[in-house]
Amino acid sequence: GAVVSQHPSRVICKSGTSVKIECRSLDFQATTMFWYRQFPKQSLMLMATSNEGSKATYEQGVEKDKFLINHASLTLSTLTVTSAHPEDSSFYICSAPRGSGGHNEQFFGPGTRLTVL
Amino acid sequence: GDSVTQMEGPVTLSEEAFLTINCTYTATGYPSLFWYVQYPGEGLQLLLKATKADDKGSNKGFEATYRKETTSFHLEKGSVQVSDSAVYFCARAGANNLFFGTGTRLTVIP
Repeated sequence: GAVVSQHPSRVICKSGTSVKIECRSLDFQATTMFWYRQFPKQSLMLMATSNEGSKATYEQGVEKDKFLINHASLTLSTLTVTSAHPEDSSFYICSAPRGSGGHNEQFFGPGTRLTVL
Repeated sequence: GDSVTQMEGPVTLSEEAFLTINCTYTATGYPSLFWYVQYPGEGLQLLLKATKADDKGSNKGFEATYRKETTSFHLEKGSVQVSDSAVYFCARAGANNLFFGTGTRLTVIP
């Protein structure tokens, strides 16, 4: 089946630094990828839709200047958390769809746990 | 409003007990429906899916039937194991993304 990878799996950084998370579709092309954030014991919250060749679409309440998304190619999207603060500590998950319309299937990366000290 | 409404947890069962986790959805048309599972410390994995009404998805002893009459996709397993302890998410397909329920944490005790 389709595979989506994320790197790194864990990152610990100091407050004020920036962290880049990569999401790759390993055996299929994805013109769209999704970035989610998951808080402890809660569901996934869609942050933004990453679009290859164009700007990302952000969900309401998500700061585009803080969470920079770049969809560099048909197999790679990156999420950069800029000037990270402890409240940004979370589990970040990407996904990429295969299929179309209402019958697509999402393939999820294993997630990246960010801890900001 | 919510697109997917899922039974709130947590749910604690003894090994070999019967499991039901309720899920209902709202949608225009008949989108694909999914159950994802998240084991401790891991990412989401697709557990099963159904792409049209009356389809039954099944995997690892889990089943769910796409019922358009009741707009439901309840997850069931006849005999749970300790290894089934995880968080289960119901989801429905959107145009490109997924709409998730809030997740149900299942703990199975020996």
